[in-house]
Amino acid sequence: GAGVSQSPSNKVTEKGKDVELRCDPISGHTALYWYRQRLGQGLEFLIYFQGNSAPDKSGLPSDRFSAERTGESVSTLTIQRTQQEDSAVYLCASSLGQGFPNTEAFFGQGTRLTVV
Amino acid sequence: DQQVKQNSPSLSVQEGRISILNCDYTNSMFDYFLWYKKYPAEGPTFLISISSIKDKNEDGRFTVFLNKSAKHLSLHIVPSQPGDSAVYFCAALRDTGFQKLVFGTGTRLLVSP
Repeated sequence: GAGVSQSPSNKVTEKGKDVELRCDPISGHTALYWYRQRLGQGLEFLIYFQGNSAPDKSGLPSDRFSAERTGESVSTLTIQRTQQEDSAVYLCASSLGQGFPNTEAFFGQGTRLTVV
Repeated sequence: DQQVKQNSPSLSVQEGRISILNCDYTNSMFDYFLWYKKYPAEGPTFLISISSIKDKNEDGRFTVFLNKSAKHLSLHIVPSQPGDSAVYFCAALRDTGFQKLVFGTGTRLLVSP
């Protein structure tokens, strides 16, 4: 597709279960971001991938969160032993990469995660 | 450490008037600043940007002003329209190496008819 695609669009899970969120970036985009937005809050940075460099994981809130990216394609964000405070919209974005305006990020529609 | 701050969580404006959305930052090394707009149930979309070497950039009804000495930027929407009602995020970027976009917490704009 032409844009960033995220799946599932909605996910309801029981507390303590693991969830996996998927992001398909725009083809050719070397940079990929994960953000989350809790209800009434701003965009919270989680992790950033750029090409084959080591990812910037500085925003991951706990060791229950992890993310992988295969080359310059699909990324998965995994949350283990989900807690109610993990409920949020998880947004993925991609960009061409280095050097403005290549760093302009294009966002997917997000995955709304609800932990019950 | 919140490097990009939007201190007003919400703003209400009448249709036809000017909307002014503010953003402050702490890192003087940022090279570019961007504004994104987000409607409910959609991802943010890019709106307008400005380089740190400029003090103004205009695109139709949208103008962004940058005051580097004050580490402050603002987005002006003139005239405001009901369709502009959305959450606006300010973002900043250091354009060296593999630098990520740093976002503010957003301002919800409501333009009433």
